Amino acid sequence: GAVVSQHPSRVICKSGTSVKIECRSLDFQATTMFWYRQFPKKSLMLMATSNEGSKATYEQGVEKDKFLINHASLTLSTLTVTSAHPEDSSFYICSARDVSGVSYNEQFFGPGTRLTVL
Amino acid sequence: AQTVTQSQPEMSVQEAETVTLSCTYDTSESDYYLFWYKQPPSRQMILVIRQEAYKQQNATENRFSVNFQKAAKSFSLKISDSQLGDAAMYFCAINNNDMRFGAGTRLTVKP
Repeated sequence: GAVVSQHPSRVICKSGTSVKIECRSLDFQATTMFWYRQFPKKSLMLMATSNEGSKATYEQGVEKDKFLINHASLTLSTLTVTSAHPEDSSFYICSARDVSGVSYNEQFFGPGTRLTVL
Repeated sequence: AQTVTQSQPEMSVQEAETVTLSCTYDTSESDYYLFWYKQPPSRQMILVIRQEAYKQQNATENRFSVNFQKAAKSFSLKISDSQLGDAAMYFCAINNNDMRFGAGTRLTVKP
């Protein structure tokens, strides 16, 4: 149980285009999902917290107009990188918190999406 | 704000030996959770062990155990009988409403 998927796993796009990354909780409902960015050999940096049915909460320094987050259902959150540039190239990881699993405050992580902007 | 510090960028251990990874944290919260995650080359985050701050007893999961010192805000991970498959990046994390990670420790296991 507690599986989170991400799609696509890898994406290459041209500079100036937009890319959408999907995060799905497959066997549980998640009112809250989180988006992280990870640079090579670095730690996970929280970008934003995605709440079902409401606006996402962005961390300081993260451009909300650049990284659009939508959490339209209890099992799906999307991150859209708008007008992508090479500096947006990174590994993006989502996680989800089970609405019923408040124990441990545990998050379940997706496998990540590698974005390369040419 | 919650912060996590991992002071060992790299660690090495001989197969079958024991290694301890260090982690300290800072938080103003009284109720929180601590985690150790493993990230192998696939980059999938794998939960290794977790600890509720209100529990004094140290968590254990098979070969993995923690030394949780709440007053010192320390949360080290001990890996016993190290195996080649333990080689990975290890991240310490603290979670109240959102999760904050340390910089990570790269563990190498020598055969």
